[in-house]
Amino acid sequence: DIVMTQSPDSLAVSLGERATINCKSSQSIFRSSYNKYSLAWYQQKPGQSPKLLIYWASTRASGVPDRFSGGGSGTDFTLTISSLQAEDVAVYSCHQYYSPPYTFGQGTKLEIK
Amino acid sequence: EVQLLESAGGLVQPGGSLRLSCATSGFTFSDSWMTWVRQAPGMGLEWVANIQGDGSAKTYAGSVEGRFTISRDNAKNSLYLQMNSLRVEDTAVYYCARSAWALDSWGQGTLVTVSS
Repeated sequence: DIVMTQSPDSLAVSLGERATINCKSSQSIFRSSYNKYSLAWYQQKPGQSPKLLIYWASTRASGVPDRFSGGGSGTDFTLTISSLQAEDVAVYSCHQYYSPPYTFGQGTKLEIK
Repeated sequence: EVQLLESAGGLVQPGGSLRLSCATSGFTFSDSWMTWVRQAPGMGLEWVANIQGDGSAKTYAGSVEGRFTISRDNAKNSLYLQMNSLRVEDTAVYYCARSAWALDSWGQGTLVTVSS
């Protein structure tokens, strides 16, 4: 199974500041037929279902604010929130859909400092 | 609008069985891969199983293989998860999700508690 490891486990950032969450896959998740990395990011606010933010490592899902961006290559990926807003308090999880079982990272809890 | 609605979960004794349903609307169900994901209390997300649009391909997490069965009824736009030989560690909120490679739409989740 592909292991997805996020860092840090928790993060506190001041409003308006940048937040960066890391995700490392235990092996390549590059889908050559699409020339893209099979990686997604989800946001889960307290008491809610997860919401897709980013897919193919860097494509924002419909309606996601442009302060959210995804990047990375190889086996290292990042989710960046350029200017943290109060409504961004949530747990963020990465997810590989390259090879079943399609594993998730353990989640990163983002809070306001 | 895409909608996914899981049936009520419940309390089950260890070794027992439970069948979850997920009713869908707002998209062409038969064209869509579908997935079950679970989340134990206070824990992260765990991918459980998925199924191809025509039901011909299914994949399971190792932790549930041989105990859980994913299925679908395209005439009813519904997804199912039959859970047998339930263990305490299967206690979780279970989500159904539409898989367009990534999981782009999720249900609200249903709590399954396995306890004596």
